[in-house]
Amino acid sequence: DTAVSQTPKYLVTQMGNDKSIKCEQNLGHDTMYWYKQDSKKFLKIMFSYNNKELIINETVPNRFSPKSPDKAHLNLHINSLELGDSAVYFCASSQQPTGAGNTIYFGEGSWLTVV
Amino acid sequence: KNEVEQSPQNLTAQEGEFITINCSYSVGISALHWLQQHPGGGIVSLFMLSSGKKKHGRLIATINIQEKHSSLHITASHPRDSAVYICAVDADKLIFGTGTRLQVFP
Repeated sequence: DTAVSQTPKYLVTQMGNDKSIKCEQNLGHDTMYWYKQDSKKFLKIMFSYNNKELIINETVPNRFSPKSPDKAHLNLHINSLELGDSAVYFCASSQQPTGAGNTIYFGEGSWLTVV
Repeated sequence: KNEVEQSPQNLTAQEGEFITINCSYSVGISALHWLQQHPGGGIVSLFMLSSGKKKHGRLIATINIQEKHSSLHITASHPRDSAVYICAVDADKLIFGTGTRLQVFP
């Protein structure tokens, strides 16, 4: 069983569309994250949820909206997609929020291409 | 200047060589992570350190909190070690280095 699974793995879509990436973890962790890896392979935090509550919200356009229906799920919805949104999006989880020195478990990544 | 700097950016080695990747940071941290990313693949956590040294197989990670520096060593490198190695510091949020691309040739 995959510990952190995200779908879809690949997504090609046109500018202006709305899309969602889903993430689920079966590790029983309290904290989940979305990270973005740009074309230069640089990773950056987007959002973090702890027990379904938003605790980190970096400077991300409000076209990006995370939703956590329960502790095991953190979905990312993107409205009005732009070319610059093309990137790899990684979901991750940990037992406690960053700052507590926990091991982080990453999903396989979702490759989003906006054309 | 990034808060987390890695060196070198690219590294090539012959199979069997000893590899060192360095990471320096400028912020206060609770822990430091070494991550591995294979081409087209996901990210795997190799180590989490808050002090001293950890060893897992042929991989060794060290951290010096006073000097704000960490190193990842690979002994007896193998082509399957070819990947991008990323240093990330836990400063209430993870701050990532730019990664070191390692290629090990037979």
